[in-house]
Amino acid sequence: GAVVSQHPSRVICKSGTSVKIECRSLDFQATTMFWYRQFPKQSLMLMATSNEGSKATYEQGVEKDKFLINHASLTLSTLTVTSAHPEDSSFYICSAIPGTGSYEKLFFGSGTQLSVL
Amino acid sequence: DAKTTQPPSMDCAEGRAANLPCNHSTISGNEYVYWYRQIHSQGPQYIIHGLKNNETNEMASLIITEDRKSSTLILPHATLRDTAVYYCIVRIPYFGNEKLTFGTGTRLTIIP
Repeated sequence: GAVVSQHPSRVICKSGTSVKIECRSLDFQATTMFWYRQFPKQSLMLMATSNEGSKATYEQGVEKDKFLINHASLTLSTLTVTSAHPEDSSFYICSAIPGTGSYEKLFFGSGTQLSVL
Repeated sequence: DAKTTQPPSMDCAEGRAANLPCNHSTISGNEYVYWYRQIHSQGPQYIIHGLKNNETNEMASLIITEDRKSSTLILPHATLRDTAVYYCIVRIPYFGNEKLTFGTGTRLTIIP
């Protein structure tokens, strides 16, 4: 089946540094990818929708200058947490849809646990 | 603004059928119902989806009411590995502007 690879699975960084998380669709082209964050014991919160070749659409309350999303190809989207602070510590998950406009399954990455010291 | 409502938690005895309900009373005619589950610190795993007919696969069965306002996910013989948070999602995809939001899900605990 289709696979979404997310890397790294865990990252620890110092406050003020930037962290990049990659999301790749391994065997399909993903016109649309989604980025979520999840706090402990809470549901997934949609941060932004990423469309290949265009600017990401951010949800209300998500700072686009803080969470930079790039979807430069049909198989890769990246989320960069800029100037990370401890409150940015969270579990980040990406997902991708094979075939825009279809009712195909969504596939999720395995997630990235970000810890900001 | 989640479109689905699920009970926050449920317990089920190992070996029994686990029946997880979901209310989606505002579902539109071309929205599908999807079920995913998330085991701790992992990405969500696809289980099953359907439009209006009942569906079954190797993991589960999905029963959708005739008016499509609710559905039930059935795990026929629950095992300890089925302990997870189960999410019911309704989805209407169209080019370039699809939004996918999760509700609070149901935390299912399988009891030995």
